[in-house]
Parts: sequence; C-alpha cells; structure tokens
Amino acid sequence: GQQLNQSPQSMFIQEGEDVSMNCTSSSIFNTWLWYKQDPGEGPVLLIALYKAGELTSNGRLTAQFGITRKDSFLNISASIPSDVGIYFCAGQESPMNYGGSQGNLIFGKGTKLSVKP
Amino acid sequence: SQTIHQWPATLVQPVGSPLSLECTVEGTSNPNLYWYRQAAGRGLQLLFYSVGIGQISSEVPQNLSASRPQDRQFILSSKKLLLSDSGFYLCAWSQGPIETQYFGPGTRLLVL
Repeated sequence: GQQLNQSPQSMFIQEGEDVSMNCTSSSIFNTWLWYKQDPGEGPVLLIALYKAGELTSNGRLTAQFGITRKDSFLNISASIPSDVGIYFCAGQESPMNYGGSQGNLIFGKGTKLSVKP
Repeated sequence: SQTIHQWPATLVQPVGSPLSLECTVEGTSNPNLYWYRQAAGRGLQLLFYSVGIGQISSEVPQNLSASRPQDRQFILSSKKLLLSDSGFYLCAWSQGPIETQYFGPGTRLLVL
C-alpha cells in the first residue's frame, strides 16, 4: 500500500543535540500525527496536527503541518537518553482521495533515534 | 480514561497451526478498531479496521481474518499460520471523526 517517505531512516546523536526528521507524501493529507515507539511496545502519540501551517509543541518536541499539506517535520530539542526509540509519522488522506469517509492512516517507515550520553 | 489491552503479549506457533489474538478497549463506546502488522524494521501495515460490531474491512489480502463480536473486542485469527505471518501485531482504537489512533502494547508472533 501507499507509504510516506520518512527521513532519515536512523540517527546517532550526542546527548544535548537537536534532532529533526520529516515526512513527505505525494497526496494531500488532512491530519499529520507523530508517534514514538519504544522496543517491544506499541507506538505512543506525541503530537497531532490538523491544519496546514500549524505548529504545535509538546515539551521539547515541536511539529509542523506543511503549508502544501504534503509534508510534516518533527524537531526534538536538547535530546536526552530517554528520547531513544523509533519515531513514526502518520497521515490521514483527504476523504476525496480515499473515496470514503473512513480515512485510514498511512504510516512512514520510521526514524530510529539513538542518543549517546 | 481509556485503555487498550492485547493478549497474549508473545506467542510462538508452528506453521499450519491456528491463531487467535485478542484486543479489548475500556473506557469508550463504539470505537473504531484497527489491526496492524509491523514487520522487523518496517512501518505499520493496516490489516483490518472496524467501525462497529460485525463490520470488518480488510485492507490487504492474506490468510488472516478479523472479527468484532462485541463493541470493544477485536479478534485477529488465522486457520493456518504461515512463516510470513511472523511479526508484531498492534491493535489500535480511535473515536469520532478525527483519526487519532491509540495503540495497544502489541503481540509478538513467531511462526516456526
């Protein structure tokens, strides 16, 4: 099925550094979501974005819904060891594209973040 | 508050054996329910979703099936497992028109 292009695939950074990752799509999305998954657990929702241009923060995390509605980015400032995990973006296509009212989420392949103390 | 449970947490099954994974949601009514599979190092693939009791939509053809016998119960089944069915199976729920999904803890399935 369709997938988002999420980059980078993996990152190895030093504690205290800032992190940036992004997702792009060829389709217009109504909603962008960012999740974090720890090993052996289900993804946990970090930030949800509902309007083009929207910029939302959750602690040290900031995410933006691109103006074109085809991309989104997630920034993590001053990374700490517990930021380690896999970060997924997910987008909900416009019902017009999907052909119905049940807009399913499409997920990126994830960005694996490793933080060195 | 809402919680979502998955059972079992891990499962090792021989090829050709049947499968039944259970997902239950508490603290909400008439949720949308989803089954995903996550292969190692890959993103999430939507397998099934349900908007109500007895209503199941399949996203990809496979030897798995899903059922929703009760409002907050979602079951993933197979009559005969394949090696390729190994993976991490995640159940999720959402409520209302906004598709913000919340995931369960997952079931790790290994087919040998």
